[in-house]
Amino acid sequence: DIQMTQSPSTLSASVGDRVTITCRASQSISSWLAWYQQKPGKAPKLLIYKASALETGVPSRFSGGVSGTEFTLTISSLQPDDFATYYCQQYHSYPLTFGGGTKVEIK
Amino acid sequence: EVQVLESGGGLVQPGGSLRLSCAASGFTFSNYGMSWVRQAPGKGLEWVSAIDGTGRTTYYADYVKGRLTISRDNSKNTLYLEMNSLRAEDTAVYYCVKDYSSGHQFDCWGQGALVTVSS
Repeated sequence: DIQMTQSPSTLSASVGDRVTITCRASQSISSWLAWYQQKPGKAPKLLIYKASALETGVPSRFSGGVSGTEFTLTISSLQPDDFATYYCQQYHSYPLTFGGGTKVEIK
Repeated sequence: EVQVLESGGGLVQPGGSLRLSCAASGFTFSNYGMSWVRQAPGKGLEWVSAIDGTGRTTYYADYVKGRLTISRDNSKNTLYLEMNSLRAEDTAVYYCVKDYSSGHQFDCWGQGALVTVSS
């Protein structure tokens, strides 16, 4: 099974900050990686797929990158609506696996 | 509008059974793979099972093999998850999710169905 190691588990930041979340795959998954945002009591929402493709309707302050088996989600200027938990997911092969999540908190 | 809506959650005793349903609308159901993803209270997301658009090919996480069965009825635009031999660790919100048009990322999530396994 492909393990997804996400870091940090918690991130404290202020409005306007640039934040980066990292997800590392235990083996090559090409660019078959998605990022989701989840707010308390709500279902996750797809933000980015194929490592760097922005889902329709997602603000351009979100971006995704990849270098080998290391993937990043960057929020260029954190907004109040962005305080949430973020998950990565590989869809290279079954079983599909998620990272452990990163909670972005207000500093 | 593309939507999926789960039903059938509830309280069940250890060793018991439950069937979740997911009604889909707003898209051609048979053209898309579907999955179930769960989230235990206060924990992260965990993929459970997937099925292709025809219903002929299924996939399972190791920890549910033999206990959970995914199926679909394309004539009713409905996805199912039959859950048997339930354990306390199966307690979670179960989300019905739709595959993207290309790949097994999920672009539509239901509101979730809470399954509680407890005596």
